[in-house]
Amino acid sequence: GAGVSQSPSNKVTEKGKDVELRCDPISGHTALYWYRQSLGQGLEFLIYFQGNSAPDKSGLPSDRFSAERTGGSVSTLTIQRTQQEDSAVYLCASSFRPPGQGRKETQYFGPGTRLLVL
Amino acid sequence: EDKVVQSPLSLVVHEGDTVTLNCSYEVTNFRSLLWYKQEKKAPTFLFMLTSSGIEKKSGRLSSILDKKELFSILNITATQTGDSAVYLCAAGGTSYGKLTFGQGTILTVHP
Repeated sequence: GAGVSQSPSNKVTEKGKDVELRCDPISGHTALYWYRQSLGQGLEFLIYFQGNSAPDKSGLPSDRFSAERTGGSVSTLTIQRTQQEDSAVYLCASSFRPPGQGRKETQYFGPGTRLLVL
Repeated sequence: EDKVVQSPLSLVVHEGDTVTLNCSYEVTNFRSLLWYKQEKKAPTFLFMLTSSGIEKKSGRLSSILDKKELFSILNITATQTGDSAVYLCAAGGTSYGKLTFGQGTILTVHP
């Protein structure tokens, strides 16, 4: 596709339920990132995938959060046993290369998934 | 812990004004500083800066980095209502791909 796509665009769930958020990066982009943005806040890094390397999971806030990237393309962010504080916009981005490695490192963001945990 | 701080947090101006947005950073093994514009959900890329003193320019927007003083500024001249957005600054350090974002500056441009 032309850009990064994410689904669903909005998700309302009950506390304690599991949710899965999907990200389709731009074709050919080897780097994929997940961020979280709470109301009125900046973006909080969650996890980063680069090619076939082990992902950088250092931003995941708890073991309820996990992500995978199948076949080096589509990624799924899973939140288990959701809590109200998980309510936020979850943004996915992709880039041809990671920042600082020269050209084609620009991160292109998807429209995000707005998650509301009741 | 890496940290990025933006100021002011919000700014209200009139069309035609010039604004300067500030970003200071403390990032281990700093590599790059990026500016994004966020209007609804998806931030859009504006600039990436890696070298001190070299101004990057795109139309009415420009940005410069000072690696000695650990800050960057984003200037917008002759502001328009379409410039109203949240401007995000992010810095990349040791871990490739991990950007630390500031809290953003909310810019409102009135006609």
